[in-house]
Amino acid sequence: ETGVTQSPTHLIKTRGQQVTLRCSSQSGHNTVSWYQQALGQGPQFIFQYYREEENGRGNFPPRFSGLQFPNYSSELNVNALELDDSALYLCASSRTSGVQETQYFGPGTRLLVL
Amino acid sequence: QQPVQSPQAVILREGEDAVINCSSSKALYSVHWYRQKHGEAPVFLMILLKGGEQKGHEKISASFNEKKQQSSLYLTASQLSYSGTYFCGTAGGAQKLVFGQGTRLTINP
Repeated sequence: ETGVTQSPTHLIKTRGQQVTLRCSSQSGHNTVSWYQQALGQGPQFIFQYYREEENGRGNFPPRFSGLQFPNYSSELNVNALELDDSALYLCASSRTSGVQETQYFGPGTRLLVL
Repeated sequence: QQPVQSPQAVILREGEDAVINCSSSKALYSVHWYRQKHGEAPVFLMILLKGGEQKGHEKISASFNEKKQQSSLYLTASQLSYSGTYFCGTAGGAQKLVFGQGTRLTINP
């Protein structure tokens, strides 16, 4: 148990819809990173939030957006869903934003887009 | 730039040793190793920072050669519980963590 929680665990949406995924970070952590993991692949970095500000973004289009709240929990929003968005979405929290910091993953949200 | 892991898959008998390699084309500051079991989240194993240090954790250890931009994960006297997919994540400078494609390890009794 890492203390990182995510909701919902599973979600089914149709193409064109919008989805919001949620992540609660481990106590004492101020940084949340979001990853997309397609079947059989490694996690792909979407973006990171540090103290409520976006702090780095991977190669994902603007329809992927996020928020971090004062309690350091975070949301990932995806607009105009496409079939290829079907994946496991992982969030990871860390004590702070440096690349030397260990990231602890939550259990993930499995999204299926039909 | 995604790090390259080798081998892609390995099958062992319980008690045998394994080495998983992770190579990057970019200068690295840190290498992070995770294990993921089917249907579960990646679990942190260890982190290695620039400086070429080797770390150990029971029968699992790792090395980091920053000049060669490579890291290796060593699993000694493997146990059934070691089965899963191993990912290395690399980071350099301002670059956030980039994960390799994974190495699937199967341990048979």
